[in-house]
Amino acid sequence: GAVVSQHPSWVICKSGTSVKIECRSLDFQATTMFWYRQFPKQSLMLMATSNEGSKATYEQGVEKDKFLINHASLTLSTLTVTSAHPEDSSFYICSARDPKGNEKLFFGSGTQLSVL
Amino acid sequence: QQQVKQSPQSLIVQKGGISIINCAYENTAFDYFPWYQQFPGKGPALLIAIRPDVSEKKEGRFTISFNKSAKQFSLHIMDSQPGDSATYFCAATSGGGGNKLTFGTGTQLKVEL
Repeated sequence: GAVVSQHPSWVICKSGTSVKIECRSLDFQATTMFWYRQFPKQSLMLMATSNEGSKATYEQGVEKDKFLINHASLTLSTLTVTSAHPEDSSFYICSARDPKGNEKLFFGSGTQLSVL
Repeated sequence: QQQVKQSPQSLIVQKGGISIINCAYENTAFDYFPWYQQFPGKGPALLIAIRPDVSEKKEGRFTISFNKSAKQFSLHIMDSQPGDSATYFCAATSGGGGNKLTFGTGTQLKVEL
């Protein structure tokens, strides 16, 4: 199946700083990528849909000014957590749609963010 | 209407046994039902998926049973192995939803020797 690479796999930062997470589709072009957030022992919650060349679509309750999404190319989407606070500590996961056009989604390996 | 209810929350099965995880949904527009396996610290990986036009799909030791009238579907893991110990999520989406998956709450499976 298609490979989605996410980097970094974990990051620790100080409160008030910004953190950028990258999501790359390695062997295919992804016009749409999705960003999820997962708390320990909980389900995945969709944060936003990232569309190449246009603005991301955010889910209700997700602060777009805090979670900046950029999808500047067909193989890269980035999520920047701005002015991070301890409550932003979570596991962030991206996914991309199967390039064959079906409903399959391939997920990155996730990024564990810890804000001190 | 967008919820997908999953049970049990956790499950312990003996090696060689059958693991069964159940999900139920309300939104009749859902037309694609995947199951994902997630190991600690990793992203989910697609295991198997089904569309509502079939009642069962089998891939190796994994089988999805689908009951459209009851709006329920389940994952059966035959001959469960310790390596199957992971968290399993059911999910649902509709074509018109732009592939926005709605995930179940997850089932933590432990397969004991």
